[in-house]
Amino acid sequence: EVQLVETGGGLVQPGRSLKLSCVASGFTFNNYWMSWTRQAPGKGLEWVASITNSGGSTYYPDSVKGRFTISRDNAQNTLYLQMNSLRSEDTATYYCTRDPGYPGIALFDYWGQGVMVTVSS
Amino acid sequence: DIQMTQSPTSLAASVGESVTITCLASEDIYGSLVWYQQKPGKSPQLLIYGATILEDGIPSRFSGSGSDTQYSLKINSLQPEDFASYYCQNGLSTPWTFGGGTKLELK
Repeated sequence: EVQLVETGGGLVQPGRSLKLSCVASGFTFNNYWMSWTRQAPGKGLEWVASITNSGGSTYYPDSVKGRFTISRDNAQNTLYLQMNSLRSEDTATYYCTRDPGYPGIALFDYWGQGVMVTVSS
Repeated sequence: DIQMTQSPTSLAASVGESVTITCLASEDIYGSLVWYQQKPGKSPQLLIYGATILEDGIPSRFSGSGSDTQYSLKINSLQPEDFASYYCQNGLSTPWTFGGGTKLELK
């Protein structure tokens, strides 16, 4: 059974940093691209970052580029999201997601339970 | 960036009815359209990808259609568990953008 378990959320002041982790199990982690997607309270979904299966390439939207860094440790089956210079608009539930690698389409077939990040003074 | 516009934003229907949700992309996404369902307090779940391909385990009352910039999600014979929010997603190019969502409520 595929499982994605996120940890590391919490309350953080604006301008500070936080690092999220996602431990994956039930599949061969290093075969899959992985991503983070977030959802502000009562709002829709926003893709935050993706990383290739090897970790050699990463992708971000402009809203977090230069502030967030996605990384992975394939030996530990763990995905990370380092979030720096946090802003109030980064307040959201952050989901770890898997991309099954369907040709030509980026999609997320498994989602973690989500971890809440609150940026507030 | 490709903008994804869903309509309606909310929809009320009864058990047994059929409903259709539409998603309009700001440019041709060549069928690289994905649909998710999200129940309150839960993580999103993949329903359909490639505009028409049903994910394993998803009931056949769900179907997707469309091409170019216009896509639809149809739910036939609504069941109580279908009342949820639905999101479309551009799967063609980064940034992978989502529609604003459609909340399907019980009438």
